Amino acid sequence: EVQLVESGGGLVQPGGSLRLSCAASGFTFSNFWMYWVRQAPGKGLVWVSRINGDGSRTAYADSVKGRFTISRDNAKNTLYLQMSSLRADDTAVYYCARDAQYGGSYTAVFPIWGQGTTVTVSS
Amino acid sequence: DIQMTQSPSSLSASVGDRVTITCRASQSISSYLNWYQQKPGKAPKLLISAASSLQSGVPSRFSGSGSGTDFTLTISSLQPEDFATYYCQQSYGTPPTFGGGTKVEIK
Repeated sequence: EVQLVESGGGLVQPGGSLRLSCAASGFTFSNFWMYWVRQAPGKGLVWVSRINGDGSRTAYADSVKGRFTISRDNAKNTLYLQMSSLRADDTAVYYCARDAQYGGSYTAVFPIWGQGTTVTVSS
Repeated sequence: DIQMTQSPSSLSASVGDRVTITCRASQSISSYLNWYQQKPGKAPKLLISAASSLQSGVPSRFSGSGSGTDFTLTISSLQPEDFATYYCQQSYGTPPTFGGGTKVEIK
């Protein structure tokens, strides 16, 4: 079964740091672009970041650029999001998602999602 | 960034009703338009990709159409399990962007 399981969320003070993880199973992790998408309470979905299969190419939303870092460990089938200088408006459920296409370029179509992990930034 | 505008933001409908949700892009996105369903406390589920391609396992009462800037998601006969929030998303440009969502509620 194809599965993504996020972890690492929690309560953090403004200015603090947190690392999210996303454990993948049921597919060849290293052959897919992976993403982070977030959803603030009661709000819509917002793309955060993407990374290619070998980790050499990344992109970020302007709102997190310079503060968040996406990475992956293909030996552990795990995706990460290192978040620093956290602000109240980073409060959200963070989902990891897999691209639809095996290998090659990304499609930014998300057929596989994790269950999400909640990040709350508050003093 | 490409802005995606959905309408309506919410609607009330009865079981068996035909429901149509529209999504408009701020520029042409060809057919790079996807639809997701999200239920409370759950992750989004991909229903339709490339404007009209139904994902495996998605009931045939769901259909999508459109190209360029204007798109629609239609549920031909609303079922109890369809009450949810629906999002469109463009995969034409970076960043990929989502519409604000349409909440389908029980009348």
